[in-house]
Order: sequence, then C-alpha cells, then structure tokens
Amino acid sequence: ETGVTQTPRHLVMGMTNKKSLKCEQHLGHNAMYWYKQSAKKPLELMFVYNFKEQTENNSVPSRFSPECPNSSHLFLHLHTLQPEDSALYLCASSQDRFYEQYFGPGTRLTVT
Amino acid sequence: LAKTTQPISMDSYEGQEVNITCSHNNIATNDYITWYQQFPSQGPRFIIQGYKTKVTNEVASLFIPADRKSSTLSLPRVSLSDTAVYYCLVAGGGGNKLTFGTGTQLKVEL
Repeated sequence: ETGVTQTPRHLVMGMTNKKSLKCEQHLGHNAMYWYKQSAKKPLELMFVYNFKEQTENNSVPSRFSPECPNSSHLFLHLHTLQPEDSALYLCASSQDRFYEQYFGPGTRLTVT
Repeated sequence: LAKTTQPISMDSYEGQEVNITCSHNNIATNDYITWYQQFPSQGPRFIIQGYKTKVTNEVASLFIPADRKSSTLSLPRVSLSDTAVYYCLVAGGGGNKLTFGTGTQLKVEL
C-alpha cells in the first residue's frame, strides 16, 4: 500500500545525534498521528494532529518534537535520544480524528 | 479513559470461526469501536468499525450489545494468514483518548 509512506524505514543513531522521521499521506486525510511500539508491547500514541493543529501530546519527552507543516506531511524530530527509545515508530492518518486510521510501514529506530 | 481489556492470546485451527471479545466499561456516548489487525514489524490494518448492534464486511463481523460495554470481533473460517495481533480501540467525541489496548495474539494452526 502506498497511502501512507514513512522514511527512512530503518535508522540507527547515536545518543548525541539529531535525526528526523518523515511521514507522508496521499489520502486527503485531515488527521495524522505518531505512535511508538516497543518490542512485544502495544502501540503508544505520542501525538495527534488534526487540520495541522496538535490536539494530543501524551506526555512525550521533549527529545521528541513533532512538526506538521500541512495536512499531508508529518515529521518527528529526534535529538539526544536514549537506548530505551529504540522502537518501531508508526505514522497514521485518518479522515478525521476518530475515523479509521491508515498506518504506514513504520521506521525501525535503534539508538546506540 | 476508555480502557479496553482483551484476552492476551487465543489459539484456533484453520476453518474455524474465531470470536475475540473486548471489554470497554467506560465507553462514552460518542465513542466508536474499531478493530485492527497487526502483523510483526508492520503497521496495524483496519478491520471493522461499529457503534452499536452488528456490523459486517467482507472479512469480519462486529457484535455490540445494547449496553456497548463490550464488543466481539468474529472472524469466519480463519486461515494461517490470520495469525496476528488484534487490537480493539474505543474512541470518539466523548473525550476518551485514542488508546490501544494490549491486543490479542491469535495463532491459527493447521
């Protein structure tokens, strides 16, 4: 499926690096989401944007910084991460905040 | 917060019907119930969504009792490829946050 794309698919970064994850949706949706999924754990919602405005921030550490320049693009800026931040980061979009979500393939992040 | 509770795991055989139940006692009036399927190292995939009574699509049925405090995802005649984690999500305009539960690991065997 190409509705929601994420780049890169894999990322290895040191604790002092700065990197960004990119998500793009081609579905004309108005809401976009970032989730974190650690090994064998359920999804944890990080941020929600609806019509480019952030509507939820679930107590995410400031080393994760989201950016939503328009309804089609969502970024997650990363800096000074910790090894426990290693996880699969998933982006999703939906027509509106509570409609069915379409997920991207995820970015597998490893912090060394 | 509409916390959901599901069985951690279920086992089945090919060709059988599988029913996975989710409890959501704090569901709000405006909340919808959505089920997702997730394979390892992939993003979840939407299966079905409902508000009350019964919803059916080409892959599953969703049964919701009148009090809406639980819901049951029914997968008819499962196959090996249905082995995955199934998540129940309850959210809507009632103020509940989007929270995925722990999910149910379904294992289908020959």
